[in-house]
Order: sequence, then structure tokens, then C-alpha cells
Amino acid sequence: KAGVTQTPRYLIKTRGQQVTLSCSPISGHRSVSWYQQTPGQGLQFLFEYFSETQRNKGNFPGRFSGRQFSNSRSEMNVSTLELGDSALYLCASSSQHWSGSNHEQYFGPGTRLTVT
Amino acid sequence: KNQVEQSPQSLIILEGKNCTLQCNYTVSPFSNLRWYKQDTGRGPVSLTIMTFSENTKSNGRYTATLDADTKQSSLHITASQLSDSASYICVVSARITGGGNKLTFGTGTQLKVEL
Repeated sequence: KAGVTQTPRYLIKTRGQQVTLSCSPISGHRSVSWYQQTPGQGLQFLFEYFSETQRNKGNFPGRFSGRQFSNSRSEMNVSTLELGDSALYLCASSSQHWSGSNHEQYFGPGTRLTVT
Repeated sequence: KNQVEQSPQSLIILEGKNCTLQCNYTVSPFSNLRWYKQDTGRGPVSLTIMTFSENTKSNGRYTATLDADTKQSSLHITASQLSDSASYICVVSARITGGGNKLTFGTGTQLKVEL
């Protein structure tokens, strides 16, 4: 069974631009969570989607948004990029509504975003 | 304020030796605690998930302990291998009103295993 895939793997953008990242979960999984990872802040939870609905949200500004399609694939969008948005963006899938529950969660390799 | 603190920040050990990583938390009400291993350039991989009623859980050479009274967890690695070189992240979930959980992440312990 294929794992979680994320595209693109690397991305360079300039301040003020917007970016869309994509995540394809493990086949059959309906929950996709997004995380931001930086050296200074570590891992931080962005949001979780389950069956096309946002179920949980972290403390990020409205510039960070996401959506999930009927095939469970998810996209994350960041508008008006800032230098501080440079990070590794990880997505993770789970077979059930996850939200920090005891269910297993599987991470993708991440998208490395650099904002210049 | 919910917090998760991990120690040490970094650690270097010789191959074959054992080591113990610590995680102290102030998350409440406690739901579960996870240990993840993250290799450089890759996503985290779950090692163990522990709930309130569990105080020891093993996954191969990895053994996690949980003391819910003192709010401490440890991850013990036995007979370390070069492939154990990675960042180890402790994540604690707190139950929130209305259902679901809020996650609090530690900043990780960077482990390097040398010959």
C-alpha cells in the first residue's frame, strides 16, 4: 500500500506570493492533518480535515487555509507569504477522525518551503 | 498553559550503548502521549502511543514509560544502532470540551549514534 505523498517536495517563493501544497493520503484514509515544522518552534498543528470538513484547527492566521476533496486528497494554501513561513510542511493521514486520538497517524515526507 | 519539555536537547552515544530520553508535560486533561522518531529530511514515524492507564509500552528496542502522577514519560533505547540517529519528539494530547483533542509538541531530542 502506497504511503502518504506530498507535492512538491521543495518550493521557493518570494514574499507576498501565495502557495498551494498538495497531500495524497494512504488509500482508504479519510483524515488528513497538516503541520508546520521549523527549527525554532518545532512541530505545530495547522488543521485537520475529515470527509471534506475541517474538524480541528491550530493557532495560525487566516492566511493559512486548506481543503479536502471527495477523494480525500487535501491541499493547503498560504497567501501573502512572509519570511517566517519558511518551514517544512508535513501532512499526515489516518483512517478515522484523528484529532489527537489513539488512532495511528502516518506522515508524508513533507514539502520544504523557502520564502525569500 | 499546556507545555511539553524534552531533555536532553541533544545526545551523542556510542553504538551498542543504551540511552534514555525524557519528556515532562503539564498538559491537562491528559488524553494520550506519543513518541515519534524523525529521520533527517523525512516525516515523523510513531514509535508508541500511551494512554492514562498504560505505564510501559515497547516497540522492538524502544521502551516508553509513563507516570501520569508526576506527568513524566521516558523513552529508553536499548543496544543503540547507527540508524537510531534521529530526532525524537514527544507529543501530548489533551481532551477538549465538545470532543477532540488539543496537541502539544515537545521540541525534540536530537540523538546521534557514533561508532
